[in-house]
Amino acid sequence: AQKITQTQPGMFVQEKEAVTLDCTYDTSDPSYGLFWYKQPSSGEMIFLIYQGSYDQQNATEGRYSLNFQKARKSANLVISASQLGDSAMYFCAMREGPYWISRIKAAGNKLTFGGGTRVLVKP
Amino acid sequence: EPEVTQTPSHQVTQMGQEVILRCVPISNHLYFYWYRQILGQKVEFLVSFYNNEISEKSEIFDDQFSVERPDGSNFTLKIRSTKLEDSAMYFCASSELREGAFFGQGTRLTVV
Repeated sequence: AQKITQTQPGMFVQEKEAVTLDCTYDTSDPSYGLFWYKQPSSGEMIFLIYQGSYDQQNATEGRYSLNFQKARKSANLVISASQLGDSAMYFCAMREGPYWISRIKAAGNKLTFGGGTRVLVKP
Repeated sequence: EPEVTQTPSHQVTQMGQEVILRCVPISNHLYFYWYRQILGQKVEFLVSFYNNEISEKSEIFDDQFSVERPDGSNFTLKIRSTKLEDSAMYFCASSELREGAFFGQGTRLTVV
């Protein structure tokens, strides 16, 4: 089974509007972290936002927010007020295992990525 | 702002040759990783490195691959006897636990 599923291969959004990118995950580990990355056409991977499985509140970073629904195992990214520069590929990723055990065991920090969603912002 | 630096940005090599991809992680980070992304596909984990040894590796990371931290700043990925299917973007990343792994800009490897 896929650990990270992004069901939207591509989508258009009008400039200045909000867009929601879907991400569902599958893990039996009670402790995990969820990440979103942006990959523009230049190829680099840009870290956007992080949500820990025990975090009480949804993560926000500027125009990015994460709609974390633990029971549904979803971690959707919301981009508000889209800009032309938001046109890119967006990847959801998961780290399984709590980070404090990772410090001791030096494992469990790897990220598993979804297939990505390509966003094109229209002027 | 500190960043992960990778060199070269693009490498073309002949099939069967050895290549070394280089990375300078963020200086206070403890965990280092290599990932690869075949064109149009998802990003795949190759290997993680901590305390001067491999902490985890994927099934992709076979005997053809090796990693090394030759000094206090560099982190390298060596691919021996390259194959056509090794053509991909290779990303180095580093992390300090809870924070997201910070990725370099990638090295695009083309095997001809």
